Amino acid sequence: QKEVEQDPGPLSVPEGAIVSLNCTYSNSAFQYFMWYRQYSRKGPELLMYTYSSGNKEDGRFTAQVDKSSKYISLFIRDSQPSDSATYLCATGGSQGNLIFGKGTKLSVKP
Amino acid sequence: DADVTQTPRNRITKTGKRIMLECSQTKGHDRMYWYRQDPGLGLQLIYYSFDVKDINKGEISDGYSVSRQAQAKFSLSLESAIPNQTALYFCATSDARPPYGYTFGSGTRLTVV
Repeated sequence: QKEVEQDPGPLSVPEGAIVSLNCTYSNSAFQYFMWYRQYSRKGPELLMYTYSSGNKEDGRFTAQVDKSSKYISLFIRDSQPSDSATYLCATGGSQGNLIFGKGTKLSVKP
Repeated sequence: DADVTQTPRNRITKTGKRIMLECSQTKGHDRMYWYRQDPGLGLQLIYYSFDVKDINKGEISDGYSVSRQAQAKFSLSLESAIPNQTALYFCATSDARPPYGYTFGSGTRLTVV
Protein backbone atom coordinates (compact mmCIF):
# COMPACT_ATOMS: atom_id res chain seq x y z
CA GLN A 1 0.00 0.00 0.00
CA LYS A 2 1.27 3.44 -0.94
CA GLU A 3 1.76 5.81 1.98
CA VAL A 4 -0.59 8.37 0.44
CA GLU A 5 -3.33 7.45 -2.02
CA GLN A 6 -5.15 10.03 -4.11
CA ASP A 7 -7.60 9.54 -6.95
CA PRO A 8 -6.01 11.20 -9.99
CA GLY A 9 -9.33 12.07 -11.61
CA PRO A 10 -9.74 13.98 -13.81
CA LEU A 11 -12.67 15.65 -12.14
CA SER A 12 -14.87 18.00 -14.14
CA VAL A 13 -17.58 20.12 -12.48
CA PRO A 14 -19.76 23.09 -13.49
CA GLU A 15 -19.00 26.52 -12.08
CA GLY A 16 -20.57 27.00 -8.67
CA ALA A 17 -20.44 23.33 -7.71
CA ILE A 18 -19.07 22.05 -4.42
CA VAL A 19 -15.92 20.05 -5.00
CA SER A 20 -14.66 17.30 -2.72
CA LEU A 21 -11.08 16.06 -3.08
CA ASN A 22 -9.83 13.20 -0.95
CA CYS A 23 -6.74 11.28 0.10
CA THR A 24 -6.03 8.37 2.38
CA TYR A 25 -2.77 7.71 4.17
CA SER A 26 -1.33 4.69 5.90
CA ASN A 27 1.05 5.93 8.62
CA SER A 28 -0.72 6.84 11.84
CA ALA A 29 2.36 8.80 12.93
CA PHE A 30 1.72 11.48 10.33
CA GLN A 31 0.83 14.73 12.04
CA TYR A 32 0.83 17.44 9.38
CA PHE A 33 -1.57 17.57 6.49
CA MET A 34 -1.42 19.93 3.57
CA TRP A 35 -3.03 20.68 0.27
CA TYR A 36 -1.06 22.10 -2.62
CA ARG A 37 -2.48 23.58 -5.80
CA GLN A 38 -0.55 23.30 -9.05
CA TYR A 39 -1.49 25.25 -12.13
CA SER A 40 -0.35 24.04 -15.52
CA ARG A 41 3.38 24.59 -16.10
CA LYS A 42 3.87 25.91 -12.56
CA GLY A 43 5.22 24.54 -9.32
CA PRO A 44 2.88 23.44 -6.54
CA GLU A 45 1.82 26.16 -4.10
CA LEU A 46 0.75 25.58 -0.52
CA LEU A 47 -3.00 26.09 -0.28
CA MET A 48 -3.92 24.91 3.20
CA TYR A 49 -2.33 23.27 6.19
CA THR A 50 -3.82 21.45 9.17
CA TYR A 51 -2.30 19.79 12.18
CA SER A 52 -3.93 16.66 13.60
CA SER A 53 -7.67 16.04 13.25
CA GLY A 54 -10.32 18.62 12.59
CA ASN A 55 -11.40 21.24 10.10
CA LYS A 56 -9.78 24.40 8.86
CA GLU A 57 -11.54 26.96 6.73
CA ASP A 58 -10.09 29.65 4.49
CA GLY A 59 -12.59 31.47 2.35
CA ARG A 60 -14.16 28.98 -0.06
CA PHE A 61 -11.76 26.22 0.97
CA THR A 62 -12.13 23.79 3.87
CA ALA A 63 -9.53 21.21 4.79
CA GLN A 64 -10.63 18.28 6.91
CA VAL A 65 -8.59 15.55 8.59
CA ASP A 66 -9.97 12.40 10.20
CA LYS A 67 -7.04 10.64 11.83
CA SER A 68 -9.19 7.74 13.00
CA SER A 69 -9.87 6.73 9.40
CA LYS A 70 -6.66 8.25 7.98
CA TYR A 71 -8.67 10.37 5.60
CA ILE A 72 -7.86 13.86 4.28
CA SER A 73 -10.35 16.03 2.43
CA LEU A 74 -10.44 19.38 0.70
CA PHE A 75 -13.78 21.02 -0.05
CA ILE A 76 -14.16 23.91 -2.47
CA ARG A 77 -17.42 25.84 -2.29
CA ASP A 78 -18.78 27.91 -5.18
CA SER A 79 -16.06 26.59 -7.46
CA GLN A 80 -14.69 28.96 -10.10
CA PRO A 81 -12.93 28.35 -13.42
CA SER A 82 -9.81 29.80 -11.77
CA ASP A 83 -9.85 26.81 -9.41
CA SER A 84 -9.01 24.56 -12.36
CA ALA A 85 -5.69 23.00 -11.39
CA THR A 86 -4.16 19.85 -10.00
CA TYR A 87 -4.55 19.47 -6.24
CA LEU A 88 -2.00 17.45 -4.30
CA CYS A 89 -2.43 16.28 -0.76
CA ALA A 90 0.68 15.91 1.38
CA THR A 91 1.38 14.59 4.82
CA GLY A 92 4.36 13.95 7.02
CA GLY A 93 5.65 13.36 10.49
CA SER A 94 7.97 15.09 12.89
CA GLN A 95 11.01 14.96 10.58
CA GLY A 96 9.35 17.24 8.07
CA ASN A 97 9.74 15.09 4.98
CA LEU A 98 6.43 15.35 3.18
CA ILE A 99 4.84 12.50 1.28
CA PHE A 100 2.75 13.70 -1.65
CA GLY A 101 -0.29 12.18 -3.27
CA LYS A 102 -0.25 11.88 -7.04
CA GLY A 103 -2.63 14.79 -7.45
CA THR A 104 -6.21 15.17 -8.68
CA LYS A 105 -6.76 17.23 -11.83
CA LEU A 106 -9.80 19.47 -11.44
CA SER A 107 -11.55 21.31 -14.25
CA VAL A 108 -14.30 23.83 -13.46
CA LYS A 109 -16.40 24.60 -16.52
CA PRO A 110 -18.02 28.06 -16.94
CA ASP B 1 12.39 37.82 -7.65
CA ALA B 2 10.90 34.41 -7.06
CA ASP B 3 11.57 32.69 -3.73
CA VAL B 4 12.90 29.62 -5.58
CA THR B 5 14.52 30.06 -8.97
CA GLN B 6 15.28 27.18 -11.27
CA THR B 7 17.42 27.34 -14.39
CA PRO B 8 17.00 26.49 -17.16
CA ARG B 9 13.20 26.49 -17.58
CA ASN B 10 13.40 24.18 -20.56
CA ARG B 11 16.18 22.00 -21.89
CA ILE B 12 16.54 19.49 -24.66
CA THR B 13 19.61 17.30 -24.47
CA LYS B 14 20.94 14.19 -26.15
CA THR B 15 21.29 10.74 -24.67
CA GLY B 16 24.61 10.34 -22.89
CA LYS B 17 25.17 14.02 -22.23
CA ARG B 18 25.84 15.39 -18.78
CA ILE B 19 23.43 18.08 -17.68
CA MET B 20 23.08 20.23 -14.60
CA LEU B 21 19.91 21.83 -13.29
CA GLU B 22 20.39 24.69 -10.90
CA CYS B 23 18.28 25.96 -8.04
CA SER B 24 18.63 28.94 -5.76
CA GLN B 25 16.35 30.16 -2.97
CA THR B 26 15.92 33.40 -1.07
CA LYS B 27 13.77 32.01 1.78
CA GLY B 28 16.80 31.53 4.04
CA HIS B 29 15.82 27.91 4.71
CA ASP B 30 18.31 25.15 5.38
CA ARG B 31 16.28 22.39 3.73
CA MET B 32 16.19 21.86 -0.02
CA TYR B 33 14.78 19.13 -2.23
CA TRP B 34 14.77 17.88 -5.81
CA TYR B 35 11.70 16.16 -7.24
CA ARG B 36 10.70 14.87 -10.62
CA GLN B 37 7.11 14.83 -11.78
CA ASP B 38 5.77 12.48 -14.40
CA PRO B 39 2.16 12.18 -15.56
CA GLY B 40 0.36 9.67 -13.37
CA LEU B 41 3.28 9.24 -10.99
CA GLY B 42 3.11 12.44 -9.00
CA LEU B 43 6.13 13.97 -7.30
CA GLN B 44 9.01 11.61 -6.70
CA LEU B 45 11.83 12.64 -4.36
CA ILE B 46 15.29 12.40 -5.93
CA TYR B 47 17.56 13.95 -3.28
CA TYR B 48 17.16 16.15 -0.25
CA SER B 49 19.48 18.20 1.91
CA PHE B 50 18.74 19.36 5.44
CA ASP B 51 21.80 21.59 5.55
CA VAL B 52 24.93 22.30 3.53
CA LYS B 53 26.76 19.24 4.84
CA ASP B 54 23.79 16.89 4.82
CA ILE B 55 22.77 15.19 1.55
CA ASN B 56 20.37 12.27 1.39
CA LYS B 57 19.07 10.03 -1.35
CA GLY B 58 15.38 9.99 -2.06
CA GLU B 59 13.29 7.25 -3.60
CA ILE B 60 14.67 7.54 -7.15
CA SER B 61 18.29 8.73 -6.88
CA ASP B 62 19.86 6.31 -9.39
CA GLY B 63 21.32 8.20 -12.36
CA TYR B 64 21.32 11.51 -10.49
CA SER B 65 23.76 13.38 -8.26
CA VAL B 66 23.51 16.64 -6.36
CA SER B 67 25.71 19.36 -5.00
CA ARG B 68 24.86 21.80 -2.20
CA GLN B 69 27.13 24.73 -2.90
CA ALA B 70 25.69 27.01 -0.24
CA GLN B 71 22.61 27.34 1.93
CA ALA B 72 20.83 28.98 -0.99
CA LYS B 73 22.05 26.77 -3.85
CA PHE B 74 21.31 23.14 -4.66
CA SER B 75 22.07 21.69 -8.09
CA LEU B 76 21.01 18.42 -9.68
CA SER B 77 23.15 16.61 -12.25
CA LEU B 78 22.34 13.87 -14.68
CA GLU B 79 25.71 12.25 -15.33
CA SER B 80 24.68 10.51 -18.53
CA ALA B 81 21.18 11.44 -19.56
CA ILE B 82 18.79 8.78 -20.83
CA PRO B 83 15.35 9.19 -22.44
CA ASN B 84 13.39 7.94 -19.42
CA GLN B 85 14.78 10.90 -17.47
CA THR B 86 12.55 13.11 -19.60
CA ALA B 87 10.35 14.78 -16.99
CA LEU B 88 9.46 17.96 -15.17
CA TYR B 89 11.94 18.65 -12.37
CA PHE B 90 11.14 20.73 -9.33
CA CYS B 91 13.36 22.17 -6.65
CA ALA B 92 11.83 23.06 -3.29
CA THR B 93 12.88 24.51 0.02
CA SER B 94 11.27 24.24 3.43
CA ASP B 95 11.49 25.46 6.97
CA ALA B 96 12.96 23.03 9.50
CA ARG B 97 10.03 23.71 11.87
CA PRO B 98 6.36 22.76 11.53
CA PRO B 99 4.41 23.11 9.37
CA TYR B 100 7.41 22.65 7.04
CA GLY B 101 5.51 24.33 4.21
CA TYR B 102 7.42 23.63 1.04
CA THR B 103 8.05 26.40 -1.51
CA PHE B 104 8.57 25.10 -5.01
CA GLY B 105 10.29 26.58 -8.01
CA SER B 106 8.56 26.86 -11.37
CA GLY B 107 10.22 23.72 -12.67
CA THR B 108 12.59 22.66 -15.42
CA ARG B 109 11.13 20.74 -18.33
CA LEU B 110 13.86 18.35 -19.47
CA THR B 111 13.67 16.34 -22.67
CA VAL B 112 16.30 13.71 -23.43
CA VAL B 113 16.36 12.65 -27.07
